[in-house]
Amino acid sequence: DAGITQSPRHKVTETGTPVTLRCHQTENHRYMYWYRQDPGHGLRLIHYSYGVKDTDKGEVSDGYSVSRSKTEDFLLTLESATSSQTSVYFCAISDDRPNQPQHFGDGTRLSIL
Amino acid sequence: QKEVEQDPGPLSVPEGAIVSLNCTYSNSAFQYFMWYRQYSRKGPELLMYTYSSGNKEDGRFTAQVDKSSKYISLFIRDSQPSDSATYLCAMAGISGGSNYKLTFGKGTLLTVNP
Repeated sequence: DAGITQSPRHKVTETGTPVTLRCHQTENHRYMYWYRQDPGHGLRLIHYSYGVKDTDKGEVSDGYSVSRSKTEDFLLTLESATSSQTSVYFCAISDDRPNQPQHFGDGTRLSIL
Repeated sequence: QKEVEQDPGPLSVPEGAIVSLNCTYSNSAFQYFMWYRQYSRKGPELLMYTYSSGNKEDGRFTAQVDKSSKYISLFIRDSQPSDSATYLCAMAGISGGSNYKLTFGKGTLLTVNP
């Protein structure tokens, strides 16, 4: 299994509160990604990183920010959580070669009440 | 038209059956094709990865790609109850300068009954 750890694994919080999800990898891969998975929508890319301090938006980035200060850690922040952000969040990693498959963590289940 | 179409199922088969899972796509820029398996409450796990038309076999699994028809398939032989999961197809290609963007199908839920 790819060395990817997501924390927390489960979180329940209230609307309007800030939330930070962490992804930690031990593979020293360059690329890291955050997805959300919702019934009827499948996996959708939120943000991705192509190196330390290098990030870019995915298709559903509104309301989310990311940071990558170290190769191994990629943080996803919901500045002011809304109920529409209730979802399962997955982190993925891939190495430097183009179009290589991504490997996923086991996800964080986030409920916003 | 969505970039990737995948029948969501659910698909229910008896143990030992041959299973066929399929995806169609519209973007001819897709050159790399993957199948992931996702168990309940777990992350997607890479099963197969291919970048050429034709068949690729790995144990009981065969991935088939037909770029001319924009159609990919995953075949599972001698299906087992442990194969019960959601299967996701994924594709990648050079797109807008980002050569690592994956586009996923929505997944097919498979149940193999003992």
